[in-house]
Amino acid sequence: NAGVTQTPKFQVLKTGQSMTLQCAQDMNHEYMSWYRQDPGMGLRLIHYSVGAGITDQGEVPNGYNVSRSTTEDFPLRLLSAAPSQTSVYFCASSRQGFYGYTFGSGTRLTVV
Amino acid sequence: LAKTTQPISMDSYEGQEVNITCSHNNIATNDYITWYQQFPSQGPRFIIQGYKTKVTNEVASLFIPADRKSSTLSLPRVSLSDTAVYYCLVGGRGNTDKLIFGTGTRLQVFP
Repeated sequence: NAGVTQTPKFQVLKTGQSMTLQCAQDMNHEYMSWYRQDPGMGLRLIHYSVGAGITDQGEVPNGYNVSRSTTEDFPLRLLSAAPSQTSVYFCASSRQGFYGYTFGSGTRLTVV
Repeated sequence: LAKTTQPISMDSYEGQEVNITCSHNNIATNDYITWYQQFPSQGPRFIIQGYKTKVTNEVASLFIPADRKSSTLSLPRVSLSDTAVYYCLVGGRGNTDKLIFGTGTRLQVFP
């Protein structure tokens, strides 16, 4: 099993550009989430999904969009990148919300 | 979701037992207690989950008193590779659609 796969691993964007961070899991998990982690800080929830077609906002959703058309994929879209979005982004999935989540290896994003 | 409080940092030496306590005074009846471990530059890793009394696996033990208002993660005989941030989370069926992390406890193990 590949688990949770995030692509790309590294990305540099210019201010105002848009891009999509990809997240895919092969464990047939219903729950998926996106987090960002700034240097030396804890993880903050951006958006989450409890199943295909269902998404909701987390703690810091502004500037990000998500969709969940399949169980496997949960892409995160940056609409117009800003330097404040420079961070490491983690995707996670779980069979059910209170069971253990499996995290991806992260995408390190720099906005210049 | 129940709020959790844990120490910001702890230091230990190799071979010692480390106990990290988490307070969760507002834990609900159907809430579970879950601990994650995060190494630098990696995503968090689920290490243990429990509801009451004691749970043990190959990585750690989790002690939960009868009132469940706190819990203690116990790491036996730590090594340098246990240096990480440890997060305590509380949630259960029906109210854990989203997983909210606190600041965690930064454990530094010295030789």
